Amino acid sequence: QVQLVQSGAEVKNPGASVKVSCKASGYTFTSYHMHWVRQAPGQGREWMGIVYSSGNSNSAPNFRGRVTMTRDTSTSTVYMELSSLTSEDTAEYFCARELGGAGYFDFWGQGTLVTVSS
Amino acid sequence: QSALAQPASVSGSPGQSITVSCTGSSSDVGSHTSVSWYQHHPGQAPKVIIYDVSNRPSGVSARFSGSKSGNTASLTISGLQAEDEADYYCSSYASSSTYVFGPGTKVTVL
Repeated sequence: QVQLVQSGAEVKNPGASVKVSCKASGYTFTSYHMHWVRQAPGQGREWMGIVYSSGNSNSAPNFRGRVTMTRDTSTSTVYMELSSLTSEDTAEYFCARELGGAGYFDFWGQGTLVTVSS
Repeated sequence: QSALAQPASVSGSPGQSITVSCTGSSSDVGSHTSVSWYQHHPGQAPKVIIYDVSNRPSGVSARFSGSKSGNTASLTISGLQAEDEADYYCSSYASSSTYVFGPGTKVTVL
């Protein structure tokens, strides 16, 4: 069955970077896009960007220059690295799968809590 | 502040029907059919329950239905059950290959 398993919770200092992973299984990894979405405490969900099935990526304007999304096809893992962290980046980060062009996310990871605190 | 607006909470008694609204703009909900709804029980992975405004994925109860009018999409849960108590999020495709979400609605079964 399809599974998206994310890495564990992280605590980071302001100014640091964090790298969250999302390991996929149960389907053909290169046939689907993977998105990253986050939810800060008391806030709504925020779309961060996408790694296309081709391997290219695109990020939301709010994160451009600060987020790097990559993938490793040998391990079916997608990575999201966010730099120059501030307290406002404290959030739960999710990966979510999309069949190309479908326009919705059919499977989600369980979420990774990133806490930014000095 | 979320791009899409949802009520913070909606409640109903078992067996009743409730509707959750999701209001966007002509740049997202109003101009795209890629409106979807997600059920999220805290601690679990979110689950898609409606896609393309009104389609249900295989395995999702027919008690869940979706619709759209103008810039507002709606999720209706009929025959409310205890297991429906969860957070519900709407999402829409927006411009330039981006997506927007609502803040979520907490559904409580009284």
